[in-house]
Parts: sequence; C-alpha cells; structure tokens
Amino acid sequence: GQSLEQPSEVTAVEGAIVQINCTYQTSGFYGLSWYQQHDGGAPTFLSYNALDGLEETGRFSSFLSRSDSYGYLLLQELQMKDSASYFCAVRLYSSASKIIFGSGTRLSIRP
Amino acid sequence: DAGVTQSPTHLIKTRGQQVTLRCSPKSGHDTVSWYQQALGQGPQFIFQYYEEEERQRGNFPDRFSGHQFPNYSSELNVNALLLGDSALYLCASSLFWAGGRTGANVLTFGAGSRLTVL
Repeated sequence: GQSLEQPSEVTAVEGAIVQINCTYQTSGFYGLSWYQQHDGGAPTFLSYNALDGLEETGRFSSFLSRSDSYGYLLLQELQMKDSASYFCAVRLYSSASKIIFGSGTRLSIRP
Repeated sequence: DAGVTQSPTHLIKTRGQQVTLRCSPKSGHDTVSWYQQALGQGPQFIFQYYEEEERQRGNFPDRFSGHQFPNYSSELNVNALLLGDSALYLCASSLFWAGGRTGANVLTFGAGSRLTVL
C-alpha cells in the first residue's frame, strides 16, 4: 500500500536546528509537500519538492531523494512558535486527484 | 482574501443522526477536498470535488457524501453517525491538478469543523 512514515515526536532547543524525516512506500508520486499545524489550527503549506534536491524558504528547507524514498524538513534557528505538528504529503500517480498525508511529527521546542 | 471558511466550527450529535458541514473555498480556487483528522493523526482524504463532480474518493463508506455548487462551495454530509466519526473535518481548496498548474499542489485549509458524536 501507500504510506508515509514520520517520527511521532521530536524535541529540540530554541535556536537549534532540527530535521524531521519522512520515508515513504509508494509506487510513484508527483512531489513531496510539507504542512505545519499548530494545536487547534488548520494545516498550512510550507514547501513542495517536485524534483530531488533541496528547496529553501527562509528558515525552512525541504529535501527529497526519490532513489532513497526519503525526504526531510529542516528547521533552522528554532523559535518557540515553531512548536507544532508537521506533516509530509504526496500526490500519487495512481490517484492524482488526492493528496495523502503522513501521520505527523509533533515538534516541541524547549527554551 | 478570506481564505477557506468552514461552518459550523463545533457541533455535537448523537449516534444515528445526520450532519452537514459547509465550506467556502479560497477566492480563485476551483477544487475542494475534504479530510477527516482524528486526534494526533494526519488528515485522511475523504473525497475531492471539481466542476460539481466527485473526482476521487478515499476509503470512506457511502455514509459520507458531498456536493459542490456552481460557486465552488461544498458540503460534506455524514449519515447514520457513529461514535468513530468524532473528529476534526477539514476542507481544503486548491486549483485542479490536471494541466500541471502550480497551485494544484498547494492546499489551503479551513480551520475545520469539530464533530463530537455521543
């Protein structure tokens, strides 16, 4: 089947760097996306990797390696407001109208 | 730009009842997808509507149905509610994916409707 695996929880220190991994088992997809969701809030789009490599958007970067079935979200200069859940997501070749999400990683930032 | 708006924000129903949730997409978007999110889990795809037709459906029973109107707004209906239907229901709008439009890969979510079934 199609699945996206993420660590359930990650803890990091304010000002540090953290990497949230996403490994997948899927026959093929158009690209890998990342979304952020604060408690009680709506998921918000962070980044999209259509091709292998690194995409940088301010303090956030996202990476994709299709050959390794692996991607990650890198958050630098962590701030307390980055405490949230992060989801990776893909649009599958087999059912292109839908985007499926991983189970999410809850990031906790310590002072 | 009001973004995606959903109503109601919270509602409580009892088993066996029916519920209708509503969504207005972001201005300029033509596609609406509905997701169910249980506590501590990722959003699960229910179905997607484009041009007033259901384009794709996730692994949800026929008790879940929907509709899209000419103004692109959408409704999600759930019949014969079960305790397990308690969740946050998220509406996401985008551009339709066909044709390689960039906006098709960016979902804009509403704040959701939290349904509690007793």
